[in-house]
Amino acid sequence: EAAVTQSPRNKVAVTGGKVTLSCNQTNNHNNMYWYRQDTGHGLRLIHYSYGAGSTEKGDIPDGYKASRPSQENFSLILELATPSQTSVYFCASGERGRGAETLYFGSGTRLTVL
Amino acid sequence: QQQVRQSPQSLTVWEGGTTVLTCSYEDSTFNYFPWYQQFPGEGPALLISILSVSDKKEDGRFTTFFNKREKKLSLHIIDSQPGDSATYFCAAENTNTGKLTFGDGTVLTVKP
Repeated sequence: EAAVTQSPRNKVAVTGGKVTLSCNQTNNHNNMYWYRQDTGHGLRLIHYSYGAGSTEKGDIPDGYKASRPSQENFSLILELATPSQTSVYFCASGERGRGAETLYFGSGTRLTVL
Repeated sequence: QQQVRQSPQSLTVWEGGTTVLTCSYEDSTFNYFPWYQQFPGEGPALLISILSVSDKKEDGRFTTFFNKREKKLSLHIIDSQPGDSATYFCAAENTNTGKLTFGDGTVLTVKP
């Protein structure tokens, strides 16, 4: 069964601190994504990757960096965390078939920046 | 800018009733429209999807309709069950970029 695992599940950080959110997938999918979910804003794309070594900016990349060191792992990095980055973050891997892509999401990381 | 508009924001229906969720979009390059279902504490999961060459897709109690001329789509749930209580997201994929844009979601509550 497809599996996307995020860690940690919950994180409290201080303003100005560095935060790293990790994602691991066992689906062997080339595409991976980072979204944030806020009430009233749905899911917004932060960064994505087409494979190991590649990262691309999504719709709201400011304040975030991404790293894809391997097919399985995709990290989201907040170098200087701010309270506005308090949110729930979801990682997903993507499988394209019949011209359309299906995303498989992890269970999310709830980040609070104080 | 909001490219995919979803309504209503929240909806309560009685068990056994029919639920109707709607979305509209503006970008003519969208060609694939999935609906994702999210339960509390979990990530979204694909529920049903439709390509722009079709106008209807059915899967059990769930049916999605697509109107290309009006740039609208809808999700119908018949015989709604308390277990259907979740947040539902419509989304649209851009033909050229492959990127998915999500609506803001509808929180559905089905009361027994």
